[in-house]
Amino acid sequence: GENVEQHPSTLSVQEGDSAVIKCTYSDSASNYFPWYKQELGKRPQLIIDIRSNVGEKKDQRIAVTLNKTAKHFSLHITETQPEDSAVYFCAASNTGNQFYFGTGTSLTVIP
Amino acid sequence: DAGVIQSPRHEVTEMGQEVTLRCKPISGHNSLFWYRQTMMRGLELLIYFNNNVPIDDSGMPEDRFSAKMPNASFSTLKIQPSEPRDSAVYFCASSSGLFTGELFFGEGSRLTVL
Repeated sequence: GENVEQHPSTLSVQEGDSAVIKCTYSDSASNYFPWYKQELGKRPQLIIDIRSNVGEKKDQRIAVTLNKTAKHFSLHITETQPEDSAVYFCAASNTGNQFYFGTGTSLTVIP
Repeated sequence: DAGVIQSPRHEVTEMGQEVTLRCKPISGHNSLFWYRQTMMRGLELLIYFNNNVPIDDSGMPEDRFSAKMPNASFSTLKIQPSEPRDSAVYFCASSSGLFTGELFFGEGSRLTVL
Protein backbone atom coordinates (compact mmCIF):
# COMPACT_ATOMS: atom_id res chain seq x y z
CA GLY A 1 0.00 0.00 0.00
CA GLU A 2 0.87 3.67 -0.04
CA ASN A 3 3.27 5.13 2.52
CA VAL A 4 3.22 8.87 3.16
CA GLU A 5 5.97 10.51 5.17
CA GLN A 6 5.70 14.06 6.44
CA HIS A 7 8.32 16.45 7.80
CA PRO A 8 8.87 18.24 10.05
CA SER A 9 6.70 16.98 12.88
CA THR A 10 6.81 20.38 14.57
CA LEU A 11 7.51 23.82 13.15
CA SER A 12 7.69 27.23 14.79
CA VAL A 13 7.86 30.42 12.79
CA GLN A 14 7.61 34.11 13.53
CA GLU A 15 4.47 35.84 12.40
CA GLY A 16 4.93 37.08 8.86
CA ASP A 17 7.52 34.46 7.94
CA SER A 18 6.89 31.56 5.58
CA ALA A 19 6.31 27.94 6.56
CA VAL A 20 7.03 24.90 4.43
CA ILE A 21 5.86 21.36 5.11
CA LYS A 22 7.07 18.46 2.98
CA CYS A 23 5.62 15.05 2.18
CA THR A 24 6.83 12.08 0.20
CA TYR A 25 4.79 9.17 -1.08
CA SER A 26 5.69 5.72 -2.34
CA ASP A 27 2.96 4.66 -4.75
CA SER A 28 3.50 6.11 -8.22
CA ALA A 29 -0.19 5.47 -8.94
CA SER A 30 -1.23 8.13 -6.43
CA ASN A 31 -2.68 11.08 -8.28
CA TYR A 32 -4.50 13.22 -5.76
CA PHE A 33 -2.83 15.06 -2.88
CA PRO A 34 -4.95 17.02 -0.40
CA TRP A 35 -3.83 18.99 2.64
CA TYR A 36 -5.93 19.16 5.79
CA LYS A 37 -5.74 21.61 8.67
CA GLN A 38 -6.78 20.56 12.14
CA GLU A 39 -7.16 23.20 14.81
CA LEU A 40 -6.92 22.11 18.42
CA GLY A 41 -9.86 19.95 19.42
CA LYS A 42 -11.53 20.26 16.03
CA ARG A 43 -12.01 18.17 12.93
CA PRO A 44 -9.55 18.09 10.02
CA GLN A 45 -10.66 20.31 7.17
CA LEU A 46 -9.45 20.49 3.59
CA ILE A 47 -7.47 23.64 2.82
CA ILE A 48 -5.99 22.91 -0.60
CA ASP A 49 -5.43 20.00 -2.93
CA ILE A 50 -3.53 19.19 -6.10
CA ARG A 51 -3.89 16.57 -8.78
CA SER A 52 -1.05 14.87 -10.58
CA ASN A 53 -1.56 16.72 -13.84
CA VAL A 54 -0.68 20.01 -12.13
CA GLY A 55 2.69 21.08 -10.74
CA GLU A 56 1.59 23.95 -8.53
CA LYS A 57 -1.57 25.44 -7.14
CA LYS A 58 -2.10 28.63 -5.14
CA ASP A 59 -4.90 29.96 -3.03
CA GLN A 60 -4.10 33.33 -1.47
CA ARG A 61 -1.33 32.71 1.09
CA ILE A 62 -1.29 28.95 0.59
CA ALA A 63 0.38 27.06 -2.22
CA VAL A 64 1.10 23.42 -2.92
CA THR A 65 3.77 22.05 -5.25
CA LEU A 66 4.05 18.54 -6.63
CA ASN A 67 7.06 16.75 -8.07
CA LYS A 68 5.82 13.47 -9.51
CA THR A 69 9.23 12.27 -10.54
CA ALA A 70 10.60 12.59 -7.04
CA LYS A 71 7.26 11.62 -5.46
CA HIS A 72 7.09 14.56 -3.14
CA PHE A 73 4.77 17.46 -2.55
CA SER A 74 4.93 20.48 -0.29
CA LEU A 75 2.68 23.00 1.40
CA HIS A 76 3.83 26.61 1.50
CA ILE A 77 2.22 29.20 3.73
CA THR A 78 3.38 32.78 3.25
CA GLU A 79 2.93 35.75 5.59
CA THR A 80 1.96 33.44 8.43
CA GLN A 81 -0.54 34.62 11.01
CA PRO A 82 -1.33 33.31 14.51
CA GLU A 83 -4.54 31.73 13.20
CA ASP A 84 -2.43 29.51 10.96
CA SER A 85 -1.31 27.67 14.10
CA ALA A 86 -2.68 24.14 13.78
CA VAL A 87 -1.74 20.61 12.81
CA TYR A 88 -1.41 20.09 9.07
CA PHE A 89 -1.80 16.70 7.40
CA CYS A 90 -0.85 15.75 3.89
CA ALA A 91 -2.48 12.80 2.16
CA ALA A 92 -2.20 10.78 -1.03
CA SER A 93 -4.83 8.88 -2.94
CA ASN A 94 -5.04 6.99 -6.19
CA THR A 95 -8.72 6.24 -6.19
CA GLY A 96 -10.37 9.18 -4.51
CA ASN A 97 -11.73 6.67 -2.06
CA GLN A 98 -8.73 5.59 -0.06
CA PHE A 99 -6.59 8.30 1.52
CA TYR A 100 -3.25 7.73 3.21
CA PHE A 101 -2.32 10.46 5.64
CA GLY A 102 1.05 11.69 6.82
CA THR A 103 1.69 11.86 10.56
CA GLY A 104 1.05 15.58 10.76
CA THR A 105 3.00 18.79 11.36
CA SER A 106 2.24 20.95 14.35
CA LEU A 107 2.74 24.55 13.22
CA THR A 108 3.08 27.33 15.77
CA VAL A 109 3.11 30.93 14.59
CA ILE A 110 4.70 33.17 17.20
CA PRO A 111 3.21 36.67 17.34
CA ASP B 1 -26.59 19.98 5.47
CA ALA B 2 -25.50 19.46 9.06
CA GLY B 3 -22.32 17.72 8.01
CA VAL B 4 -21.08 14.40 9.30
CA ILE B 5 -22.59 13.71 12.69
CA GLN B 6 -20.88 11.51 15.25
CA SER B 7 -21.95 10.34 18.67
CA PRO B 8 -21.01 10.25 21.40
CA ARG B 9 -18.53 13.14 21.41
CA HIS B 10 -16.89 11.79 24.55
CA GLU B 11 -16.95 8.33 26.05
CA VAL B 12 -15.23 7.16 29.20
CA THR B 13 -15.49 3.47 29.92
CA GLU B 14 -13.74 0.74 31.81
CA MET B 15 -11.59 -1.94 30.31
CA GLY B 16 -13.61 -4.87 29.08
CA GLN B 17 -16.74 -2.88 28.32
CA GLU B 18 -18.32 -2.70 24.88
CA VAL B 19 -18.09 0.62 23.07
CA THR B 20 -20.27 1.64 20.15
CA LEU B 21 -19.51 4.75 18.14
CA ARG B 22 -22.05 6.07 15.66
CA CYS B 23 -21.87 8.08 12.47
CA LYS B 24 -24.32 9.72 10.11
CA PRO B 25 -22.65 10.71 6.84
CA ILE B 26 -23.63 13.66 4.69
CA SER B 27 -26.75 12.88 2.71
CA GLY B 28 -25.89 11.74 -0.79
CA HIS B 29 -22.33 10.71 0.05
CA ASN B 30 -21.71 7.09 -0.77
CA SER B 31 -18.27 6.61 0.75
CA LEU B 32 -17.73 6.44 4.51
CA PHE B 33 -14.49 6.14 6.41
CA TRP B 34 -13.53 5.43 10.00
CA TYR B 35 -10.20 6.85 11.20
CA ARG B 36 -8.43 6.63 14.53
CA GLN B 37 -6.21 9.48 15.68
CA THR B 38 -3.49 9.19 18.30
CA MET B 39 -0.42 11.26 19.05
CA MET B 40 1.85 8.38 18.19
CA ARG B 41 0.30 7.25 14.91
CA GLY B 42 -1.60 10.24 13.60
CA LEU B 43 -4.64 9.47 11.45
CA GLU B 44 -5.04 5.78 10.75
CA LEU B 45 -7.65 4.46 8.35
CA LEU B 46 -9.54 1.64 10.02
CA ILE B 47 -12.14 0.77 7.40
CA TYR B 48 -14.06 2.31 4.57
CA PHE B 49 -17.37 1.60 2.92
CA ASN B 50 -18.59 2.32 -0.57
CA ASN B 51 -22.34 2.13 -1.12
CA ASN B 52 -22.69 0.53 2.31
CA VAL B 53 -20.29 -2.29 1.43
CA PRO B 54 -16.99 -2.64 3.35
CA ILE B 55 -14.22 -2.25 0.79
CA ASP B 56 -11.08 -2.35 2.88
CA ASP B 57 -10.91 -3.29 6.55
CA SER B 58 -7.20 -4.03 6.63
CA GLY B 59 -6.68 -1.19 9.08
CA MET B 60 -8.91 -2.68 11.73
CA PRO B 61 -6.43 -3.51 14.49
CA GLU B 62 -7.90 -6.81 15.62
CA ASP B 63 -11.03 -8.86 15.98
CA ARG B 64 -12.20 -6.75 18.88
CA PHE B 65 -13.07 -4.08 16.34
CA SER B 66 -16.04 -4.35 14.00
CA ALA B 67 -17.89 -1.90 11.79
CA LYS B 68 -21.22 -1.97 10.05
CA MET B 69 -23.15 0.19 7.67
CA PRO B 70 -26.71 -1.12 7.53
CA ASN B 71 -27.90 1.73 5.33
CA ALA B 72 -26.65 4.82 3.54
CA SER B 73 -27.25 7.11 6.50
CA PHE B 74 -25.78 5.21 9.42
CA SER B 75 -22.63 3.41 10.44
CA THR B 76 -21.29 2.01 13.69
CA LEU B 77 -17.84 1.15 14.96
CA LYS B 78 -17.84 -1.31 17.82
CA ILE B 79 -15.05 -2.30 20.18
CA GLN B 80 -15.65 -5.37 22.32
CA PRO B 81 -13.98 -5.79 24.73
CA SER B 82 -12.32 -2.39 25.00
CA GLU B 83 -8.75 -1.95 26.25
CA PRO B 84 -6.83 1.10 27.50
CA ARG B 85 -4.75 1.16 24.30
CA ASP B 86 -7.95 1.81 22.34
CA SER B 87 -8.08 5.29 23.85
CA ALA B 88 -8.03 7.73 20.94
CA VAL B 89 -10.19 10.08 18.93
CA TYR B 90 -12.23 8.23 16.34
CA PHE B 91 -13.27 10.19 13.29
CA CYS B 92 -15.90 9.31 10.77
CA ALA B 93 -15.65 10.94 7.35
CA SER B 94 -17.67 10.80 4.17
CA SER B 95 -17.18 11.72 0.56
CA SER B 96 -19.27 11.68 -2.55
CA GLY B 97 -17.10 8.88 -3.90
CA LEU B 98 -16.97 10.49 -7.29
CA PHE B 99 -13.34 11.42 -6.96
CA THR B 100 -14.18 14.95 -5.93
CA GLY B 101 -11.46 14.36 -3.39
CA GLU B 102 -12.70 16.09 -0.31
CA LEU B 103 -13.24 14.12 2.84
CA PHE B 104 -15.72 15.69 5.23
CA PHE B 105 -14.91 14.76 8.81
CA GLY B 106 -17.21 14.60 11.76
CA GLU B 107 -16.30 16.23 15.07
CA GLY B 108 -14.85 12.98 16.34
CA SER B 109 -15.54 10.73 19.31
CA ARG B 110 -12.97 10.91 22.07
CA LEU B 111 -12.72 7.51 23.73
CA THR B 112 -11.01 6.95 27.06
CA VAL B 113 -10.73 3.40 28.33
CA LEU B 114 -9.67 3.18 31.96
